Amino acid sequence: AQTVTQSQPEMSVQEAETVTLSCTYDTSESNYYLFWYKQPPSRQMILVIRQEAYKQQNATENRFSVNFQKAAKSFSLKISDSQLGDTAMYFCAFMKLSGGSNYKLTFGKGTLLTVNP
Amino acid sequence: ETGVTQSPTHLIKTRGQQVTLRCSSQSGHNTVSWYQQALGQGPQFIFQYYREEENGRGNFPPRFSGLQFPNYSSELNVNALELDDSALYLCASRPGGGITEAFFGQGTRLTVV
Repeated sequence: AQTVTQSQPEMSVQEAETVTLSCTYDTSESNYYLFWYKQPPSRQMILVIRQEAYKQQNATENRFSVNFQKAAKSFSLKISDSQLGDTAMYFCAFMKLSGGSNYKLTFGKGTLLTVNP
Repeated sequence: ETGVTQSPTHLIKTRGQQVTLRCSSQSGHNTVSWYQQALGQGPQFIFQYYREEENGRGNFPPRFSGLQFPNYSSELNVNALELDDSALYLCASRPGGGITEAFFGQGTRLTVV
């Protein structure tokens, strides 16, 4: 079974600064995806960024980037130029790549990020 | 907007009752998953349906059941409600073709009293 650990229950950052959220995971699988999801007060989960485990290059989406360390099973999210709208709960999630169509996501407990003006 | 809608948004039920939660996915999304998110926790996988058949289940008892319909809507049914079933229930759908991104609804907040 896979586990995902987010060791920072809460973090805060000043607007326009950079913040890094940590995530570690445990799996015996070699092919998988990792995701960061954002859940604002509206409750709707929104995909921030994804990383395929077979890709060595770290994923980047505008102000969001990841530091993927496969051997260390670490997957951190860096948010640059933080904006007030980034305030939300952030979840790290793991998905095993299977031959069928089972797309089960395993989530961490989340990190509440507050961006202060 | 993800194109996935859930109803109702809030619901209060009494212990022992039964509840049905609904999810409407985008056209072409043939995979739907349901998650339970307790307060202060990450979502937990309940089960997944693919082309109207259950093809994956998490550690939830049989009183949690589901249905998926040809019109890309789905239901989560919970029988014999317990206080611990109080949570946010999220559905997530995916299109076919190996797309890995899940599109989530805004959830149904269920309170069992």
